[in-house]
Amino acid sequence: LAKTTQPISMDSYEGQEVNITCSHNNIATNDYITWYQQFPSQGPRFIIQGYKTKVTNEVASLFIPADRKSSTLSLPRVSLSDTAVYYCLVGAKGQNFVFGPGTRLSVLP
Amino acid sequence: KAGVTQTPRYLIKTRGQQVTLSCSPISGHRSVSWYQQTPGQGLQFLFEYFSETQRNKGNFPGRFSGRQFSNSRSEMNVSTLELGDSALYLCASSLASGVQETQYFGPGTRLLVL
Repeated sequence: LAKTTQPISMDSYEGQEVNITCSHNNIATNDYITWYQQFPSQGPRFIIQGYKTKVTNEVASLFIPADRKSSTLSLPRVSLSDTAVYYCLVGAKGQNFVFGPGTRLSVLP
Repeated sequence: KAGVTQTPRYLIKTRGQQVTLSCSPISGHRSVSWYQQTPGQGLQFLFEYFSETQRNKGNFPGRFSGRQFSNSRSEMNVSTLELGDSALYLCASSLASGVQETQYFGPGTRLLVL
């Protein structure tokens, strides 16, 4: 399983775009990159997944450079309700999920 | 579709007792994974079951065990409870096995060991 490194915490203000970068230098060819969001006392919730280049859905974008050794989760125009812990996971079919400490995002008014 | 359900939601036990937690996955999902979450250790993988077979296991002692039934419902059991077992236990289901599959988490069972 590829080891991931994320910032422990980030602060932002409402309405700003937030970018959280995850490093995964030893990512393997078959690995996918997945991001989850977790609110206090709740289970994590899937945000987005990608393999290469750019993926966008209704809540976020995921940017993956050509070497795939890092990825950036982009949250457009955050609100107070986006305050949560964000996890980056890297792995392939058949491997179990390994959650790191995640990035604690605090959105301020 | 109904989401992942876990029962009970809250539980208080004393040291030495055993506990069984239940998880009902989303209909059609065949993979069920269990996690332990504590403030100190974060979210840690316990084990995964797929089609009634344990596929993966995390680094937990043998006191932690699980099983999956033919309807994909799963139970986990913790025997000889210790104070350090106090945690939020989360269950997640997915269509198939592996990190490329989207996992859907339940609300968790909060266990307090006194």
